[in-house]
Amino acid sequence: SQKIEQNSEALNIQEGKTATLTCNYTNYSPAYLQWYRQDPGRGPVFLLLIRENEKEKRKERLKVTFDTTLKQSLFHITASQPADSATYLCALITNAGKSTFGDGTTLTVKP
Amino acid sequence: KAGVTQTPRYLIKTRGQQVTLSCSPISGHRSVSWYQQTPGQGLQFLFEYFSETQRNKGNFPGRFSGRQFSNSRSEMNVSTLELGDSALYLCASSLGGLDEKLFFGSGTQLSVL
Repeated sequence: SQKIEQNSEALNIQEGKTATLTCNYTNYSPAYLQWYRQDPGRGPVFLLLIRENEKEKRKERLKVTFDTTLKQSLFHITASQPADSATYLCALITNAGKSTFGDGTTLTVKP
Repeated sequence: KAGVTQTPRYLIKTRGQQVTLSCSPISGHRSVSWYQQTPGQGLQFLFEYFSETQRNKGNFPGRFSGRQFSNSRSEMNVSTLELGDSALYLCASSLGGLDEKLFFGSGTQLSVL
């Protein structure tokens, strides 16, 4: 059956360090993969999109990689700040346009 | 540009009742998707409408239905409410392309008693 797994529900790191979040999937052939940030009581906010034929994308302190052989995406936040504390969701989008979200990883950056 | 607007923000219903939730997308967006979010199940896709037609559907029972109007506004209806329907219901709009990012509203928090 199709499955998306994001690494441990919670990730705690020290300010200034790099946070690395993982999104693994099985039995999917996604055309695109997106990462979103969600704060308590709010809807998710789009961060980055990466296509199946792309290996890496960057935006300011954010970097996402996509390995279709390993069926894995890694999401990095460099020089993390307490304001980066939130839940991060990965979403797989198929060629049919159907999106499936992971359960999310809650990141806490401690000062 | 106004964001995605969902109404109402909070709703309390009892089992067996029905409920209608509303979503106004960003101006110019023709696609509206609906999601159910619960602590145990995460964000689950309900359905997507594009130009008034349902384009994609998730694995929810027929009690969950939706529609989209000519101005792209969308409504979601849940009939015969069950306790397990308590959740945050989120809608998201986009231009409609496969690789378009989704813009989410703040959601409607539904509590079924």
